[in-house]
Amino acid sequence: ETGVTQSPTHLIKTRGQQVTLRCSSQSGHNTVSWYQQALGQGPQFIFQYYREEENGRGNFPPRFSGLQFPNYSSELNVNALELDDSALYLCASSRGQLPTAFFGQGTRLTVV
Amino acid sequence: KNEVEQSPQNLTAQEGEFITINCSYSVGISALHWLQQHPGGGIVSLFMLSSGKKKHGRLIATINIQEKHSSLHITASHPRDSAVYICAPWYNTDKLIFGTGTRLQVFP
Repeated sequence: ETGVTQSPTHLIKTRGQQVTLRCSSQSGHNTVSWYQQALGQGPQFIFQYYREEENGRGNFPPRFSGLQFPNYSSELNVNALELDDSALYLCASSRGQLPTAFFGQGTRLTVV
Repeated sequence: KNEVEQSPQNLTAQEGEFITINCSYSVGISALHWLQQHPGGGIVSLFMLSSGKKKHGRLIATINIQEKHSSLHITASHPRDSAVYICAPWYNTDKLIFGTGTRLQVFP
């Protein structure tokens, strides 16, 4: 068990709604990265937070936003949900720029 | 175009067989993860390596930095090894880039 926890594990939302996903990082880790994994695909990088600041962003629209808190836990917010946002959302925590990463179990979001 | 190429995409094996999954990437990296993803989604990092070879139980991972290639081997495969195996290089941009994965099914 990695110590990275995500909540909720499953979620169903309606198109146009907003959603917040949460991630608690591994103890001692100050970097959280979020990934979206569509069915049958590899995860795609959404963005990364390091010490409460966004530290890199993938090719996702601005309606994907995030936060990192002083305890290094993080939130991913998605506004104006679209059907294509249905996916598994993974977070991974790491320490600074070290490549070691631990993954949460993911949140499966279904948009109907 | 994905910067990470894995092969094969799908693999079936009989219990006991030796399995090899290959990964090629396009630019220099600082490290590479091999990840295992079971149905339901949770990802476990099996190895992180930046050179040479690592072994853990029946799993062996190798990397050739010059050739930009890594392999994951499973000796004496077992049905519980059935999962998706993902290669994820760590580029100097401080994020992981994921391959599309290799779906392995091991039959008794």
